[in-house]
Amino acid sequence: NAGVTQTPKFQVLKTGQSMTLQCAQDMNHEYMSWYRQDPGMGLRLIHYSVGAGITDQGEVPNGYNVSRSTTEDFPLRLLSAAPSQTSVYFCASNRQGAGEKLFFGSGTQLSVL
Amino acid sequence: EDQVTQSPEALRLQEGESSSLNCSYTVSGLRGLFWYRQDPGKGPEFLFTLYSAGEEKEKERLKATLTKKESFLHITAPKPEDSATYLCAVQLSPQGGSEKLVFGKGMKLTVNP
Repeated sequence: NAGVTQTPKFQVLKTGQSMTLQCAQDMNHEYMSWYRQDPGMGLRLIHYSVGAGITDQGEVPNGYNVSRSTTEDFPLRLLSAAPSQTSVYFCASNRQGAGEKLFFGSGTQLSVL
Repeated sequence: EDQVTQSPEALRLQEGESSSLNCSYTVSGLRGLFWYRQDPGKGPEFLFTLYSAGEEKEKERLKATLTKKESFLHITAPKPEDSATYLCAVQLSPQGGSEKLVFGKGMKLTVNP
């Protein structure tokens, strides 16, 4: 059972570089989301999707881009990385959104120098 | 402003020493409350969902309870393998807005043998 798979596990970027964090789920979940986790703060929602072709902003969307071309994949793009984006990023999914338990990936630890 | 506060921030117990973790919230439109467990380097893993005051759920040494203003996660006779960070999240249905989850900062539990 793969569940929610995130790659890479670790990444170091220089300020201004761009990259894509990958997220894939094999549970046929309609809802997918991206969170960031910072020390001393709760998980914060970046972007979410309620189905293929539909995305929306969460609490902290600035500097990030998403798209959802398939049910399985929900990549997160950093357009021009900044040190403030140093964080641990988690992808999560479930069948229908905030009212159900979330299945989380194992996270991507990103450092922006 | 909707807030979720977990206390204490960290707790160290001896094996077999029972205790409780607190999650208090000041929100409007509470729909449900979730507890997750997070091990180092991993994503959160679902434990419980509670929907109404007075509701209780149990799983092995853990029991979650809910009142109108807070939830408790009771740990009975903990073992070292219960060491983890425990996250509380509140599902909101704000007026005029879409449902969302608000996470607390988490509580790190260490159980010494």
